[in-house]
Amino acid sequence: GAGVSQSPSNKVTEKGKDVELRCDPISGHTALYWYRQSLGQGLEFLIYFQGNSAPDKSGLPSDRFSAERTGGSVSTLTIQRTQQEDSAVYLCASSQWDSVPYEQYFGPGTRLTVT
Amino acid sequence: TQLLEQSPQFLSIQEGENLTVYCNSSSVFSSLQWYRQEPGEGPVLLVTVVTGGEVKKLKRLTFQFGDARKDSSLHITAAQPGDTGLYLCAGFDRGSTLGRLYFGRGTQLTVWP
Repeated sequence: GAGVSQSPSNKVTEKGKDVELRCDPISGHTALYWYRQSLGQGLEFLIYFQGNSAPDKSGLPSDRFSAERTGGSVSTLTIQRTQQEDSAVYLCASSQWDSVPYEQYFGPGTRLTVT
Repeated sequence: TQLLEQSPQFLSIQEGENLTVYCNSSSVFSSLQWYRQEPGEGPVLLVTVVTGGEVKKLKRLTFQFGDARKDSSLHITAAQPGDTGLYLCAGFDRGSTLGRLYFGRGTQLTVWP
């Protein structure tokens, strides 16, 4: 019955380091989404998973960003060689693919600060 | 590209006032959702509207989906400080194979006591 969980809740890293962000979706939800939200902004779509495959990677801002999902459950978003402009809140959401109209349930986010 | 434009971007009102937030697009959506986000938290789903012309009420909040399914509005009656937050609309296109939602940039509402 738990909701979407994300870890860590906060991450401070130095410019140039790699970071991994984790998302644990609601059990049974086959679709998983990653978004980025800068201060005071709306949600910027990054990538979407249906099961373990990613039909839509169009939102990834550069090749420094990658994501994977294993076992149809947990997903990790990896940012290599972080830059200051990567500082934002990274949100994960999940939904049931066969549940129209695909309502998404969000985790609390990971606040990433690149110094 | 399916864009959702929200207006106003910022809204600051006194407790007890009424307000309306708008969400407009040139695209037709199969459904439209409204979320509220509070600081430090993820967005929380408030309502989903599916049928053109549909009106849904959630206590003091009234949501309407336009007849052509291109726009939506959120009306709050007698706003309270607890209504403060970022209100986001998001559209879903059932014809899209990508299964993603298209989010507006949000309306930041502040209700002062």
